Amino acid sequence: EVQLVESGGGLVQPGRSLKLSCVASGFTFSNYGMNWIRQAPGKGLEWVAYISSGSSYIYYAETVKGRFTISRDNAKNTLYLQMTSLRSEDTALYYCARLGLRALDYWGQGVMVTVSS
Amino acid sequence: DIQMTQSPASLSASLEEIVTITCKASQGIDDYLSWYQQKPGKSPQLLIYDATSLADGVPSRFSGSRSGTQYSLKISRPQVDDSGIYYCLQSYSTPFTFGSGTKLEIK
Repeated sequence: EVQLVESGGGLVQPGRSLKLSCVASGFTFSNYGMNWIRQAPGKGLEWVAYISSGSSYIYYAETVKGRFTISRDNAKNTLYLQMTSLRSEDTALYYCARLGLRALDYWGQGVMVTVSS
Repeated sequence: DIQMTQSPASLSASLEEIVTITCKASQGIDDYLSWYQQKPGKSPQLLIYDATSLADGVPSRFSGSRSGTQYSLKISRPQVDDSGIYYCLQSYSTPFTFGSGTKLEIK
């Protein structure tokens, strides 16, 4: 069974940093590109970042470019999102999702990030 | 960036109706179009990929189609359990972009 489990969220002050993790199981993690998607409270879905299976290709939404860094450790079956210079508008539920079938075929349960003083 | 214009924003339907939700892409996306259902407090779930292919375990009352750059999700004889918010996603090019969502209520 494919599972994606996010962690690392919490309450953080504006301008500070936070690192999210997503541990994958039930599939060969190193064969798939992975994504972070976020959802602000009561809002729609926003794609945040993508990393290819071997980390060769990395892309970001303009809203986070230069502040967020996506990475992965295939030996640990883990996806990361390092978030710096956090802003109130980064407050959201952050999901990791696998890119399979040219779609986001599996999603984690999400981890909440709240940016507030 | 590719814009995905989704409509309607909300929809109420009965059990006997056919529900149709559409997403229009601002340019060609070669059928890199998927549909998701999200229920309150839950993660989105994949329904349709490649515009018309049904994801594993998804009931056959869900179907996808395309006309030009307009993509549609159809639910035939919806069930009460189909209530939720539906999103389209283009994964043709980054930044991947979602439609704004359709809130569906089945009465």
